[in-house]
Amino acid sequence: DIQMTQSPSSLSASVGDRVTITCRASQSIATYLNWYWQKPGKPPKLLIYAASSLQSGVPSRFSGSGSGTDFTLTISRLQPEDFATYYCQQSYNTPITFGQGTRLEI
Amino acid sequence: QLVESGGGLVKPGGSLRLSCAASGFTFSNAWMSWVRQAPGKGLEWVGRVKSENNGGTTDYAAPVKGRFTISRDDSRNMVYLQMNSLKTEDTALYYCTNLGKVPWGQGTLVTVSS
Repeated sequence: DIQMTQSPSSLSASVGDRVTITCRASQSIATYLNWYWQKPGKPPKLLIYAASSLQSGVPSRFSGSGSGTDFTLTISRLQPEDFATYYCQQSYNTPITFGQGTRLEI
Repeated sequence: QLVESGGGLVKPGGSLRLSCAASGFTFSNAWMSWVRQAPGKGLEWVGRVKSENNGGTTDYAAPVKGRFTISRDDSRNMVYLQMNSLKTEDTALYYCTNLGKVPWGQGTLVTVSS
């Protein structure tokens, strides 16, 4: 199974900060990598697909990069609505696996 | 959109069938997954059914293999999760998703408890 490891597990930041979350795969997954965010009591929402493509409707302050085993999600200027839990997910092969999540807090 | 249903309270060893109604996209081309989230925990992939054009085959996560079965009915735009031999550790909110651009539904809660 491909293990997805996110870092950090939690992060405190302020409105306006630039934030980077990393996701490392235990083997190469090319760019078969999605990023989601999830707010309490809500389902996950797709932010980035194929490692770097911005999902329609997602603000341009979000960006994704990487290929192979190392990936990053960057939020250029944090907004109040960005405080949530973020997950990476690989679909290179089954079992499909998620990172453990990164909780972004004020 | 995706709308899950069928969750509820069931005793250990019992069975439950979840349903997911899809609309607004070409369902027959979609590979559909079930993902669950235990209370206060992260996301866990349960399994997937490919489109019929890709053989309609299924894959499962190790913890549910042999107990859970995913099926689809393209004539009704539905995907199902049959859960047998349920365990307390199967307690979770269950989502169906194409792990792509279709928004996730609200999920359906399954509680396994005596």
